[in-house]
Amino acid sequence: RKEVEQDPGPFNVPEGATVAFNCTYSNSASQSFFWYRQDCRKEPKLLMSVYSSGNEDGRFTAQLNRASQYISLLIRDSKLSDSATYLCVVNAPRSSTLGRLYFGRGTQLTVWP
Amino acid sequence: DAGVTQSPTHLIKTRGQQVTLRCSPKSGHDTVSWYQQALGQEPQFIFQYYEEEERQRGNFPDRFSGHQFPNYSSELNVNALLLGDSALYLCASSLAGGGAEAFFGQGTRLTVV
Repeated sequence: RKEVEQDPGPFNVPEGATVAFNCTYSNSASQSFFWYRQDCRKEPKLLMSVYSSGNEDGRFTAQLNRASQYISLLIRDSKLSDSATYLCVVNAPRSSTLGRLYFGRGTQLTVWP
Repeated sequence: DAGVTQSPTHLIKTRGQQVTLRCSPKSGHDTVSWYQQALGQEPQFIFQYYEEEERQRGNFPDRFSGHQFPNYSSELNVNALLLGDSALYLCASSLAGGGAEAFFGQGTRLTVV
C-alpha cells in the first residue's frame, strides 16, 4: 500500500469553477502535510502547508483530518493559470527522526476557457 | 536569498558512463534529499543527507551514491548508467527537525542514450 493515495484525475474544469482534491495517508505518525504544484517538466513548488485547523490562502483552502488521515485542497474561482499537477505530500518519520517526504501520484488539473 | 540551485540543468550521457549532479541548498537549510522523477510519475526518494552523512535511503541500487559537504551542498553520483536512469533529478533542501517544509531546485534532466 502506498504511503499517500491520491486520485490522479485528470480534472478538466471551466474557468471560474470550484474543484476539490483529496488524498489519504497511511502513517498515523506523520508530522506535516503539504500541497505542491508541479507544472509540466518543472520542479514541484510548495503551494501551501496544511494544518489541522485548516488554512486558506486566497482562492486555495487546505484541510487536514488527522482522525481520518485525510487531506484536501479546494480551489475556488479556477484560473487558466491553475492548470498543473497537484501533489499531496506528507512528511513522516521512518528510520530517522529527520522524517522524509512521501508523495501522492499527483492530480492533474486542466482549466479551460 | 538564493533558493535551491542545481547543476547542470540538462545532461546527455551514454550507457555505462558515470554522472555527477550538484545541489546547493537554500540558505539556512542543512538537509538535502534527492529524488528521481520519471515522466508522468511522482518523485521517488533516492536518499537524504544531514551532517555529511546519508541518513535515509530509498529503494535505489548502490550505483546511486552521494555526498554532502561541510557547506551543506550535495552531490549525487550515478555509476554504470542505464537507459532507465533517464529522468528529472530533483534536489530538495529543508531544515532538520522533522516536519519542515522542503524546497526544490529546478532539477537536472538526465538523458541516457
